[in-house]
Amino acid sequence: DAGVIQSPRHEVTEMGQEVTLRCKPISGHNSLFWYRQTMMRGLELLIYFNNNVPIDDSGMPEDRFSAKMPNASFSTLKIQPSEPRDSAVYFCASSFSGIAEQYFGPGTRLTVT
Amino acid sequence: DQQVKQNSPSLSVQEGRISILNCDYTNSMFDYFLWYKKYPAEGPTFLISISSIKDKNEDGRFTVFLNKSAKHLSLHIVPSQPGDSAVYFCAASVNNDMRFGAGTRLTVKP
Repeated sequence: DAGVIQSPRHEVTEMGQEVTLRCKPISGHNSLFWYRQTMMRGLELLIYFNNNVPIDDSGMPEDRFSAKMPNASFSTLKIQPSEPRDSAVYFCASSFSGIAEQYFGPGTRLTVT
Repeated sequence: DQQVKQNSPSLSVQEGRISILNCDYTNSMFDYFLWYKKYPAEGPTFLISISSIKDKNEDGRFTVFLNKSAKHLSLHIVPSQPGDSAVYFCAASVNNDMRFGAGTRLTVKP
């Protein structure tokens, strides 16, 4: 199994631009999570999906952030418009529903200038 | 609101000695606890876990202890090896909702 796949691995963009991060979970997993890692706050849960349905998006910072999961094998996290304070590493993780252990992707390092 | 706290941002130990990483949580509903290890430029990887019905779980050199009354868990690594140098995240979960601590950077010196 290829594990959780994230793209791009690095993204550099200018303030105000739209950014789209992509994730392919492990085949068969039905829960998907988006996290943001910063030096100050560590790993923060942004949103998670169960069977493609958003369950808890209380961690999404503001309306500029949105996430979709159109099918079981693909999810996107979009930031529009992006701001310098959005610079962080964004991780996607997946798991079987009801099993706590999550498998993480390699992350996308986002830099907004 | 940080529901899971790792108050030590870093820890340095000598090879062969014991490493003890600590974690505190505030939500008594958490029923499953995990430790993840993270190397630079990689995603966190699962290391060891413990259910709230237990107070100890051991896997080779790694042991996790849970003190529910104190809402505290710890990870013991013995003996520590240079390859253990990484950032360790504590996590607590209820249903599918997992919260992570800010991480502790462990450095094991040869």
